[in-house]
Amino acid sequence: AQSVAQPEDQVNVAEGNPLTVKCTYSVSGNPYLFWYVQYPNRGLQFLLKYITGDNLVKGSYGFEAEFNKSQTSFHLKKPSALVSDSALYFCAVRPWGGYQKVTFGIGTKLQVIP
Amino acid sequence: NAGVTQTPKFQVLKTGQSMTLQCAQDMNHNSMYWYRQDPGMGLRLIYYSASEGTTDKGEVPNGYNVSRLNKREFSLRLESAAPSQTSVYFCASSDGYEQYFGPGTRLTVT
Repeated sequence: AQSVAQPEDQVNVAEGNPLTVKCTYSVSGNPYLFWYVQYPNRGLQFLLKYITGDNLVKGSYGFEAEFNKSQTSFHLKKPSALVSDSALYFCAVRPWGGYQKVTFGIGTKLQVIP
Repeated sequence: NAGVTQTPKFQVLKTGQSMTLQCAQDMNHNSMYWYRQDPGMGLRLIYYSASEGTTDKGEVPNGYNVSRLNKREFSLRLESAAPSQTSVYFCASSDGYEQYFGPGTRLTVT
């Protein structure tokens, strides 16, 4: 069975500092990996995805994520955090091939402190 | 282009009442999903529809039924609501990779 672990319930970072939100996964075969963001009282919004190719993927709002196959990780990063980045972040995984269900992590709350 | 829309936004039910949550997408996506979001548990898949005419159970289907009415619409029905179904419900659609989510329905069962 596939799974996603987001080991930190909350990450606090000062505005202007780099941020990292961690994600590790388990899946049979090659993965498709995703990051989503959820602002209060809103639905999830897609940030970025890894399908194949370059291990560093860039997404919306200056976010990027690095796929590391040997460590089965897909950490979300941003060089300089903004207060407006404060939100709930979800990592998700699904296997390659055909139609497959997506498994989400439980989410990490990012708090950017002015 | 409205994306994914859900109705209603809020609902309060008494135990044993029934209701249908509506979802529609205008992106011509084949796949549609229903999730529930509970504190500390992330998103859990209730039902999904890989394509028009097909539906399948997710992780937590008990107490729910779905209908894929056409390519655009995917409804979720609670036949006899229970307090354990108090949650925020999200509909999503997909073109095969990322999912696009609706704004959610906040349901309280008393």
